[in-house]
Amino acid sequence: NAGVTQTPKFRVLKTGQSMTLLCAQDMNHEYMYWYRQDPGMGLRLIHYSVGEGTTAKGEVPDGYNVSRLKKQNFLLGLESAAPSQTSVYFCASSYSRSGGKNIQYFGAGTRLSVL
Amino acid sequence: RKEVEQDPGPFNVPEGATVAFNCTYSNSASQSFFWYRQDCRKEPKLLMSVYSSGNEDGRFTAQLNRASQYISLLIRDSKLSDSATYLCVVNPTMKTSYDKVIFGPGTSLSVIP
Repeated sequence: NAGVTQTPKFRVLKTGQSMTLLCAQDMNHEYMYWYRQDPGMGLRLIHYSVGEGTTAKGEVPDGYNVSRLKKQNFLLGLESAAPSQTSVYFCASSYSRSGGKNIQYFGAGTRLSVL
Repeated sequence: RKEVEQDPGPFNVPEGATVAFNCTYSNSASQSFFWYRQDCRKEPKLLMSVYSSGNEDGRFTAQLNRASQYISLLIRDSKLSDSATYLCVVNPTMKTSYDKVIFGPGTSLSVIP
């Protein structure tokens, strides 16, 4: 049972380069999320999706784009990477939007360094 | 004031000790609460939900105090394997929770032999 799978696990970019992070879930969840985690900051929501073909901005969306062409996949793109985007990125998914049942399942994370 | 605050620690406790963490939240309309656990360089995982009446799962007890707007996590008989960062998670509303889930910065626990 794979759950939530993120690729790649590690990446080093030069400033200005672009890349796409892939998130795949096999739990048939409607809701998917991209977070970044920085020391002392907690998890911050970048973008999220409430279903196939829909996306919305979270708390820190600048510099990122997302797409949800298939229900099971949620892609996070960095068009022109900046050192401030050095972080650990987590994808998550959840079954229900009901607060009490909105348990989020996370992928293993992608460690990105932008030089 | 941050929306969700936690004492960052680290809490260094000996095996077998009892340790408690608190988490405060600013939005009085918050509806649901969770504790997640995050091991070093791993992803967060749900530890337990927090119910209004309080709830227990083995050595772990979670409590909610709505009047004072805090939740707590008590770990009894600490094990080495309990060493991790504990994240407090707050959902402000029941209807539109997916975009408003707030993760606290976490409290670091190290259980020492």
